[in-house]
Amino acid sequence: KAGVTQTPRYLIKTRGQQVTLSCSPISGHRSVSWYQQTPGQGLQFLFEYFSETQRNKGNFPGRFSGRQFSNSRSEMNVSTLELGDSALYLCASRNQGAYGYTFGSGTRLTVV
Amino acid sequence: GENVEQHPSTLSVQEGDSAVIKCTYSDSASNYFPWYKQELGKRPQLIIDIRSNVGEKKDQRIAVTLNKTAKHFSLHITETQPEDSAVYFCAASRGGGADGLTFGKGTHLIIQP
Repeated sequence: KAGVTQTPRYLIKTRGQQVTLSCSPISGHRSVSWYQQTPGQGLQFLFEYFSETQRNKGNFPGRFSGRQFSNSRSEMNVSTLELGDSALYLCASRNQGAYGYTFGSGTRLTVV
Repeated sequence: GENVEQHPSTLSVQEGDSAVIKCTYSDSASNYFPWYKQELGKRPQLIIDIRSNVGEKKDQRIAVTLNKTAKHFSLHITETQPEDSAVYFCAASRGGGADGLTFGKGTHLIIQP
């Protein structure tokens, strides 16, 4: 069974640009959540999707958004990039009714 | 919202000794407490988890204990091995994680040969 797949693995963007990250969950998993990992703030929850609906959102500005498609694949978008958005963005999926999340390897975003 | 504190930030133990990492949480409604291990440059991996209706759970050399009254939970690793070296994160959530996981800041576990 394939794991959680995130693309691309690495990205370099310029301040002010926007970026879209992609996540394909484990087959059959309908819940997808996103996390930002930085050395200073650690792992912080961005949002969770289930069946194309955002169920919860963390404490991030509106520049951070996401969506989920009917095949459970998810994308997150960050607009008007700032230097502080440089981070590892992790996607995680879980099975309906299950508690444990499986993480992908992440997308390393660098804003210059 | 939920706040999770994790101690220590760095823990160095001799190979073969035990390691204990402690976390406290603030939201009494939290009911799910996973532990993740993250090796350098790799993704976090779930190593053990516990739900609030259970006080202790073991899986080979790893165990987690939960004290709901005191709102703290701990990870215990016995007979530590070099491959246990990594950063360990505790987390808490309510509603089966639909609210998102709130993570501690992590513990860098170093196993000395």
